[in-house]
Amino acid sequence: KNEVEQSPQNLTAQEGEFITINCSYSVGISALHWLQQHPGGGIVSLFMLSSGKKKHGRLIATINIQEKHSSLHITASHPRDSAVYICHTGTASKLTFGTGTRLQVTL
Amino acid sequence: NAGVTQTPKFRVLKTGQSMTLLCAQDMNHEYMYWYRQDPGMGLRLIHYSVGEGTTAKGEVPDGYNVSRLKKQNFLLGLESAAPSQTSVYFCASSSRWGGLNTEAFFGQGTRLTVV
Repeated sequence: KNEVEQSPQNLTAQEGEFITINCSYSVGISALHWLQQHPGGGIVSLFMLSSGKKKHGRLIATINIQEKHSSLHITASHPRDSAVYICHTGTASKLTFGTGTRLQVTL
Repeated sequence: NAGVTQTPKFRVLKTGQSMTLLCAQDMNHEYMYWYRQDPGMGLRLIHYSVGEGTTAKGEVPDGYNVSRLKKQNFLLGLESAAPSQTSVYFCASSSRWGGLNTEAFFGQGTRLTVV
């Protein structure tokens, strides 16, 4: 069992829909990251959070340290949001990555 | 802005061949990492470096070697490629160790196929 579990693995949405991607982890952490990997393969860091909520444009990330759970929300989704979203956490010596959620937003 | 640059982007190797993947960063970061990404699995750390001239093993180091002769470059070598090393390889760098409380910057990836 992976120490970091993401759900769903695949997600298809229509443009404009509100999207939620979940990340649960079993290790004690001080922070969690959300990454975005575009079809071309490049990986971009979206959020780093250790408590509460962060917002960047249409993206919102929340974390509940006690419940060991984080969510990434996308409001008013757009086809350009189509990508793989990866959460990762861990300790200073070992980062653990989720397997990713593949999001496809259609017109 | 270059950030983290990986070369090559694609490569096909025959079993037993050797090759070197180059990672270059222009952000003066101390820490650099090599990951591999396989279907159904998260990114896994192969080797990492905490500074020029130093390297250390990560989670899946077997079959790979690395060198950090210059601060801006981190090389990943495959001495004798095997089909199990078919993967997408990512290089990353960060200004501080730990990764959790600092942002890591990733390269575009290298898609390697070993036949």
